[in-house]
Amino acid sequence: DAGVTQSPTHLIKTRGQQVTLRCSPKSGHDTVSWYQQALGQGPQFIFQYYEEEERQRGNFPDRFSGHQFPNYSSELNVNALLLGDSALYLCASSQEGYTNTEAFFGQGTRLTVV
Amino acid sequence: AQSVSQHNHHVILSEAASLELGCNYSYGGTVNLFWYVQYPGQHLQLLLKYFSGDPLVKGIKGFEAEFIKSKFSFNLRKPSVQWSDTAEYFCAARGSWGKLQFGAGTQVVVTP
Repeated sequence: DAGVTQSPTHLIKTRGQQVTLRCSPKSGHDTVSWYQQALGQGPQFIFQYYEEEERQRGNFPDRFSGHQFPNYSSELNVNALLLGDSALYLCASSQEGYTNTEAFFGQGTRLTVV
Repeated sequence: AQSVSQHNHHVILSEAASLELGCNYSYGGTVNLFWYVQYPGQHLQLLLKYFSGDPLVKGIKGFEAEFIKSKFSFNLRKPSVQWSDTAEYFCAARGSWGKLQFGAGTQVVVTP
């Protein structure tokens, strides 16, 4: 049973560029959440997708956008990259119905903006 | 505002010592609580979780945590640590819609 898979594992981009990160949820999961983990900090919630719609959003600017596909996989897009966007981006999947469920995390995509 | 705070940023201890990591949360309403561990180079893994019922929960690798509602705390414990417990530990809380709020993390280093 494949867990949560993310691609790519590492990425280097230049300021001002755009980036797309991808996530495949654990089998049987229909909800995908994205988190940003800066160095030395805990993960910060970006947004969550369910039924191909953004259901909840954290305190991130509109430069951060996402998408969920019919097969439940998801993309995170970041436009106009800033140096401060350098971080580990984590994808977590879970099943709808928040009670008594847990989130499973992928290994993350390490984004470096230069 | 919802928040999770972890008491220590870094903990260094010797093998066989006991470990306790503090976590306090600020949430209204029903809250689910979690401890995750991140070993070097690996993804976040769930150690244990509390949804309801017995406030003393047991997780993997000999870890346990106690939910004390009156203190808004969910402290993690292990009676005797091993070198392999060297990792970063995150406390997290979840209210509605599955959004996890994480603490800043505690880096634990176990020396041989």
